[in-house]
Amino acid sequence: EAGVAQSPRYKIIEKRQSVAFWCNPISGHATLYWYQQILGQGPKLLIQFQNNGVVDDSQLPKDRFSAERLKGVDSTLKIQPAKLEDSAVYLCASSFLGADTEAFFGQGTRLTVV
Amino acid sequence: QKEVEQNSGPLSVPEGAIASLNCTYSDRGSQSFFWYRQYSGKSPELIMSIYSNGDKEDGRFTAQLNKASQYVSLLIRDSQPSDSATYLCAVASGGSYIPTFGRGTSLIVHP
Repeated sequence: EAGVAQSPRYKIIEKRQSVAFWCNPISGHATLYWYQQILGQGPKLLIQFQNNGVVDDSQLPKDRFSAERLKGVDSTLKIQPAKLEDSAVYLCASSFLGADTEAFFGQGTRLTVV
Repeated sequence: QKEVEQNSGPLSVPEGAIASLNCTYSDRGSQSFFWYRQYSGKSPELIMSIYSNGDKEDGRFTAQLNKASQYVSLLIRDSQPSDSATYLCAVASGGSYIPTFGRGTSLIVHP
């Protein structure tokens, strides 16, 4: 069974530029999560999708972050414009049903904003 | 604000000892509890899940849940240097089941 795929693995951009991350969840997993993990901290949920609907995006900075999950499969997370404090690892995870079932993580995208 | 608290450590134990990792949570409606292991520079990987009060054992790992006291713990028996990592506690609350992670406890197992 293939795992959660993410790309790119690394990205360096200047502040005020835009960036997009892509995630392909495990086949058949209805729930998809985007987390932000700053060095030394635990993952912070940005947005949770159930199929192609948003379950929760209360911690997503909507003035600069956006995410979509078209057709209930792949997802993209975009930051525009980026700030220095956005430097973090962006983790995508998926689970078969909701958060009461185990989530599996992709390798993450390490974003550095300079 | 739902919170999950963990001592950041590091927790240092000798090889072969029992490592005990603790986690407390604020939302009494929490239903699902998970322990993840995260090696430096890697993504979290699931070790254990627990849903009801009591103990759940899987090999050298035992998860313990006490909903009345709002804590969940992870015991690692016969600790090995390869167990050295950050252990993340995650809690999913009832209702919309939004998962929340603690900041993790760093474990160091020294030979």
